[in-house]
Order: sequence, then structure tokens, then C-alpha cells
Amino acid sequence: ELKVEQNPLFLSMQEGKNYTIYCNYSTTSDRLYWYRQDPGKSLESLFVLLSNGAVKQEGRLMASLDTKARLSTLHITAAVHDLSATYFCAVVRGGYGQNFVFGPGTRLSVLP
Amino acid sequence: DTEVTQTPKHLVMGMTNKKSLKCEQHMGHRAMYWYKQKAKKPPELMFVYSYEKLSINESVPSRFSPECPNSSLLNLHLHALQPEDSALYLCASSPTGGSSEKLFFGSGTQLSVL
Repeated sequence: ELKVEQNPLFLSMQEGKNYTIYCNYSTTSDRLYWYRQDPGKSLESLFVLLSNGAVKQEGRLMASLDTKARLSTLHITAAVHDLSATYFCAVVRGGYGQNFVFGPGTRLSVLP
Repeated sequence: DTEVTQTPKHLVMGMTNKKSLKCEQHMGHRAMYWYKQKAKKPPELMFVYSYEKLSINESVPSRFSPECPNSSLLNLHLHALQPEDSALYLCASSPTGGSSEKLFFGSGTQLSVL
């Protein structure tokens, strides 16, 4: 059974600081996704990582994928308050095109 | 138009009611999805339609009945729900259902079952 874990589950950080969110998964997969969800809102796709060593960056966020370690990271650079949200990683369950299994989410709060 | 539109945004229903959730997209996507999300939990897949055919049913109770009348529209019919079915129901779409595609999510229907 595919399990997806995230660490930490809660993160409170000050503006201007850097931090990394980790996503581990239990079975082989070369596709990993990061989504953002604001409170009471829907999910917004951030990154699609499709191969080992993939790195994508947008603004203050950078995501990477190491399929051998079954690990993805979401690095936050010089955090700002607008980044406060819950961040989910998701992995496709084998054999199904879009049968995502989501991690539990990391609730990020950026304090002024 | 890059939106997935869900109606209603909020729904309160009794356990004997019958109601339907509606989802629409005009991006030409051929895969559509229903997810259920409980408070402070990740979304859980319920159903996937690919080219208007049901391709995945994640062992969802029969009180939830999906329908895909055409490639732009996805419904979720609700009947005899239980209070534990209260959740945010999210619809999503993707171009073809391929595993390298991102999902486009609607804003969800917040359902309360009394």
C-alpha cells in the first residue's frame, strides 16, 4: 500500500527565513506533485515533478525529487506572509493514471 | 476559461434528502474527478471519469452516485447520507487523465449532513 508522509506537519516561521518541507513515499514512483491550499479554499497545483533529479522553481518556492530515496523537498526562501497555507505532496498510485495519494499536508504559518 | 466551477458552494441536507452536486469545466478536459476532504485532512479520491466512462471507484458507498452526462459536466448524486459524510467535496479535471498532468480543482462544495 502506498503511504505518503510529510515532515513537519506544522511549521511556524518568521518572514525572511528559509525552510524545507519533506515528503517521503513508500513505493516506487517517478511522479510527484505539490499542491497548495489556503484555508477554506480549493487546491492549487504548484509543481509537477516527473523524473529523478527534477527541480522546479517558482518565486520563493523550489521543489526537487529524488526517486531513489523516495523523497521530495519543497524549499521556501525568504518566506513572506502570503505563503501561509497548507502544502500537500501527492504521488500517483501504481497502475492508475491519476489516482493520487496525498500526504497529510504541512500547515505553514509565516509570521511578520 | 481555466476554471472548474462547482455548485452549490454550501449544502445542508438531512439524512433522508436527495441532492446533487454539480461540476463543470470548459477547458476541453476529458478526465474528471471527485474528491472528498474532511477538515484538516488531505483529499481522498472517490471517482474518476475518463472520456465519460467511470474508470475508478474507490469503494465509495452506494449512497454516492456519480454521473458524467458529457465531457464538460460531472454530477454527484447524494441519497440517504450520514452525518460522517459531512466534508468538502472537490471536483477536479485534467486534459486526458495521464499521470504527468496536473489537476485543476474547483472551489468545492461544503456539505453538512444533519
